[in-house]
Amino acid sequence: QVQLVQSGAEVKKPGASVKVSCKASGYTFTDYYMHWVRQAPGQGLEWMGRINPNTGGTNYGRNFQGRVTMTRDTSISTASMELSRLTSDDAVVYYCARSDSLDYWGQGSLVTVSS
Amino acid sequence: QSALTQPASVSGSPGQSITISCTGTSSDVGTYNYVSWFQHHPGKVPKLMIYEVTNRPSGVSNRFSGSKSGNTASLTISGLQADDEADYYCSSYTSSSTLVFGGGTKLTVL
Repeated sequence: QVQLVQSGAEVKKPGASVKVSCKASGYTFTDYYMHWVRQAPGQGLEWMGRINPNTGGTNYGRNFQGRVTMTRDTSISTASMELSRLTSDDAVVYYCARSDSLDYWGQGSLVTVSS
Repeated sequence: QSALTQPASVSGSPGQSITISCTGTSSDVGTYNYVSWFQHHPGKVPKLMIYEVTNRPSGVSNRFSGSKSGNTASLTISGLQADDEADYYCSSYTSSSTLVFGGGTKLTVL
């Protein structure tokens, strides 16, 4: 069965960077885009970007251009998302999700930003 | 890329049908048949309910159906049940090779 298992919660200081990972299993990792989506408490879903695990090619949302980097390691079927220059607005839950239909989701990773 | 437009809230009584709209532009919903709908219960992971405008993933009740006309996609839930009460989001692929979400609709089952 398809599973996406994300890394655990993180606590970061303002201005720092955070890296969240997403380990895929149950399917061929390189066959589907991996997307990253975030949600602030009480707010809607926000698309951050996607990576093609086969080529490494990326597309980023306008709000994150220049601040987000998505990578993958095909040897361990893992996609990662790094967000830099963190502010309090980045203290939200981050999800990875498979394919352009977002058919399977990770469990979410909470990032706290606090001095 | 602007967010897709959804009503903030809709409501219905058990057994009734409701429809949630999702309005985009010719750069997203109007051109691409990559519209998805998600159900999100607070504190849980979003769940895909409809993909590619009309398709239901395995395991999703046939009470959920999707459609599209022009720049507007719609999700219809028939035979409303208490457990359908949740937030619903649409998403669409765009001409910029990105995805865009709607702002979300809170469904209340009266």
